[in-house]
Amino acid sequence: GEDVEQSLFLSVREGDSSVINCTYTDSSSTYLYWYKQEPGAGLQLLTYIFSNMDMKQDQRLTVLLNKKDKHLSLRIADTQTGDSAIYFCAESINDSWGKFQFGAGTQVVVTP
Amino acid sequence: NAGVTQTPKFQVLKTGQSMTLQCAQDMNHNSMYWYRQDPGMGLRLIYYSASEGTTDKGEVPNGYNVSRLNKREFSLRLESAAPSQTSVYFCASRKQETNSNQPQHFGDGTRLSIL
Repeated sequence: GEDVEQSLFLSVREGDSSVINCTYTDSSSTYLYWYKQEPGAGLQLLTYIFSNMDMKQDQRLTVLLNKKDKHLSLRIADTQTGDSAIYFCAESINDSWGKFQFGAGTQVVVTP
Repeated sequence: NAGVTQTPKFQVLKTGQSMTLQCAQDMNHNSMYWYRQDPGMGLRLIYYSASEGTTDKGEVPNGYNVSRLNKREFSLRLESAAPSQTSVYFCASRKQETNSNQPQHFGDGTRLSIL
């Protein structure tokens, strides 16, 4: 089974904030990532956070990490229709060949 | 800079046919990966290659083989396609550094249907 869990769907109004949540299980993870997948395309890296950080902000994106609860979230401020996509969280596991464990993805639908 | 290039983008096969999915990266990355994406299941690792000359099984390797032809290219072969292999296949690459934040970079995928 998956070690990374995400809710499958989120609907948000244009202009509101979106919050996408993720839980992971591997305490040895060093980096955690958020990827965005638009229809018919591959995964694009949005942002990442090192496991010894609590928060990282990058323009409209804010990543929060609660290492004790193994909980990661991605907040998108002022959500736009172009933010409609599937969002994947992923953990990198500290081994020699860079294994990533991906969640199932959260489908975000932005409504006008 | 093309990044990760996958060919073909779409393919329809009949059960029992064979096919090779091609992947090439121009970023001088040492690690490469093949995933399949199915609805509600996220990305599942099929095979990976930590460096040129090595390959290893991932989570769902049955029915597939891979070849790391050189540092740039990593191909995925279906010897006898089955309907359960209908999926979207993604290739990824990564610059392998210990304890680094290097992400995996993805191609645009190959959409494969097996009838």
